Amino acid sequence: GDSVTQMEGPVTLSEEAFLTINCTYTATGYPSLFWYVQYPGEGLQLLLKATKADDKGSNKGFEATYRKETTSFHLEKGSVQVSDSAVYFCALSYSSASKIIFGSGTRLSIRP
Amino acid sequence: DAGVTQSPTHLIKTRGQQVTLRCSPKSGHDTVSWYQQALGQGPQFIFQYYEEEERQRGNFPDRFSGHQFPNYSSELNVNALLLGDSALYLCASSPETGENSPLHFGNGTRLTVT
Repeated sequence: GDSVTQMEGPVTLSEEAFLTINCTYTATGYPSLFWYVQYPGEGLQLLLKATKADDKGSNKGFEATYRKETTSFHLEKGSVQVSDSAVYFCALSYSSASKIIFGSGTRLSIRP
Repeated sequence: DAGVTQSPTHLIKTRGQQVTLRCSPKSGHDTVSWYQQALGQGPQFIFQYYEEEERQRGNFPDRFSGHQFPNYSSELNVNALLLGDSALYLCASSPETGENSPLHFGNGTRLTVT
């Protein structure tokens, strides 16, 4: 079946450091891929998405590229801020009418 | 414009009891999905409602049931609560039309079963 695997946390970085959170997926078809973010005490928010191979999703300085050949969708940011501290979830889905399959989440903490 | 609202925010129940959680979707959204997020885990899909019917269901026992009302709001019911049902329950809404329309999540209901 379909699944998402992401790097375990917690990840702790200093402000302005480069961020990579690895995500790989297993899919029977051609899903869309997502990164969701969960700030403390809040629900999930869509951070970025990519709907087909080689698409790059980007938002708030974060980027991820849909790599079909490596079944990956790694999240990157060139310079993190304290406000980026949150839990990040990689996910896949086939349509808005379909369920979303989430990874287990990666907690990110940024030191000032 | 209110987003997805869930009630209550926190709830404590005893094993064997029953619980009802409520969700109001974002304005203009007619599809509601429910997810269970155990501590330290990603959300797991419970089921989805559209036009007052359960359209999809994840791998959850029949103790988990739901309902959608004509105004698109939804309830999640869990019977015969187990300790393992302790989790954050998230409601998400989306419009039926619009391929790949993103889900909008509520802040969740934290259920603790003792």
